[in-house]
Amino acid sequence: KAGVTQTPRYLIKTRGQQVTLSCSPISGHRSVSWYQQTPGQGLQFLFEYFSETQRNKGNFPGRFSGRQFSNSRSEMNVSTLELGDSALYLCASSFGLPPGYTFGSGTRLTVV
Amino acid sequence: TQLLEQSPQFLSIQEGENLTVYCNSSSVFSSLQWYRQEPGEGPVLLVTVVTGGEVKKLKRLTFQFGDARKDSSLHITAAQPGDTGLYLCAGEWGTSGSRLTFGEGTQLTVNP
Repeated sequence: KAGVTQTPRYLIKTRGQQVTLSCSPISGHRSVSWYQQTPGQGLQFLFEYFSETQRNKGNFPGRFSGRQFSNSRSEMNVSTLELGDSALYLCASSFGLPPGYTFGSGTRLTVV
Repeated sequence: TQLLEQSPQFLSIQEGENLTVYCNSSSVFSSLQWYRQEPGEGPVLLVTVVTGGEVKKLKRLTFQFGDARKDSSLHITAAQPGDTGLYLCAGEWGTSGSRLTFGEGTQLTVNP
């Protein structure tokens, strides 16, 4: 069965621009969560969507936003990019209790 | 804010040696998971533990969940170079929805 697909794999953006990342979960998984991974902070939770509703939100500024579509695909958007937003952005889809998480390969965002 | 302390941060050993990685919190987990991550890829789920005192084995890997569900350990027997990678523990604390808090990770290097 297909895994979690994240696009694009790599992205280079300039400070002040905005970016949209995409995540297609495993078929049948309705929960999609997003994480930011940096060498200094490790993996940090951004937000989680379930059935098109944001169910949990981490401690990130409002520049970070997301949404989920009726087919469970999710996007996250970062506006007014800063150098510190350079990171690996990971998406995970989950199912069941306790949730079994499957992560995508991530999008490597570099802000210059 | 729940915190997960993982130790050691770095571990470099010879093939055939045993090792243990620890994960601790001051709060009770509803579930705890262990992941392994390769460079440039997303974390891959190894195991989920939910019951205090639970022990799970995955070939040469043994996972223990503390009786009080505040700590966990990962023990690898006879480590092999293929075990090299970043090992992450991640916990959930019973919040509604899916939200993992990750430890800082243990970078394991097994030298041939």
